[in-house]
Amino acid sequence: HLQLQESGPGLVKPSETLSLTCTVSGVSMRSSNYYWGWIRQPPGKGLEWIGNLHYTGSTYYNPSLKSRVTISVDTSKNQFSLRLSSVTAADTALYYCAGFGDYDAFDIWGQGTMVTVSS
Amino acid sequence: QSALTQPASVSGSPGQSITISCTGTSSDVGSYKVVSWYQKHPGKAPKLMIYEGSERPSGVSNRFSGSKSGNTASLTISGLQTEDEADYYCCSYAGSSTYVFGTGTKVTVL
Repeated sequence: HLQLQESGPGLVKPSETLSLTCTVSGVSMRSSNYYWGWIRQPPGKGLEWIGNLHYTGSTYYNPSLKSRVTISVDTSKNQFSLRLSSVTAADTALYYCAGFGDYDAFDIWGQGTMVTVSS
Repeated sequence: QSALTQPASVSGSPGQSITISCTGTSSDVGSYKVVSWYQKHPGKAPKLMIYEGSERPSGVSNRFSGSKSGNTASLTISGLQTEDEADYYCCSYAGSSTYVFGTGTKVTVL
């Protein structure tokens, strides 16, 4: 069945670029009807949508993060990735990858990976 | 694009019904039926509970129901159970292929 797994460094220095990868298993990204997204949750705060991607490469970003975010896909590896540049402590959060499917909702989620921005 | 407004906390006794509101604007909740609700237990990934405002995915208890009126969506949990104690988040389509989450509500079962 469909599963998602985030991976990447747990510690990033201020002003550097945060990079995470989500590996999709159980379905080919090329053949599914899903959009693939990133959502984050800062400690003690709520969920924040970062952006979505379709396997064709179309991307959609949160306007408040758009200038710093890039979401890309590697269909040969069945993975999609998040890059967030010029990070600050405010970007410290639990980052989730998720699948946005036929329900018009995020119906499948990874377990999340904690990223701390600190020198 | 501002976060949708939810009450910080709602509580109820076992067996009771509670309702969580999610207030947006005419640019999000008020204009689209694409409103979803998620349950999040500590240390766990969010779980989809309601989609398209009032539809339940397969496997979700019929004790959970959703509705919308104007710029406000609502999630009702009937027959409250101890396992319902969690954080709940709404999410709405906000136009131009963007989405916005609510501020989150902590549900406590007394």
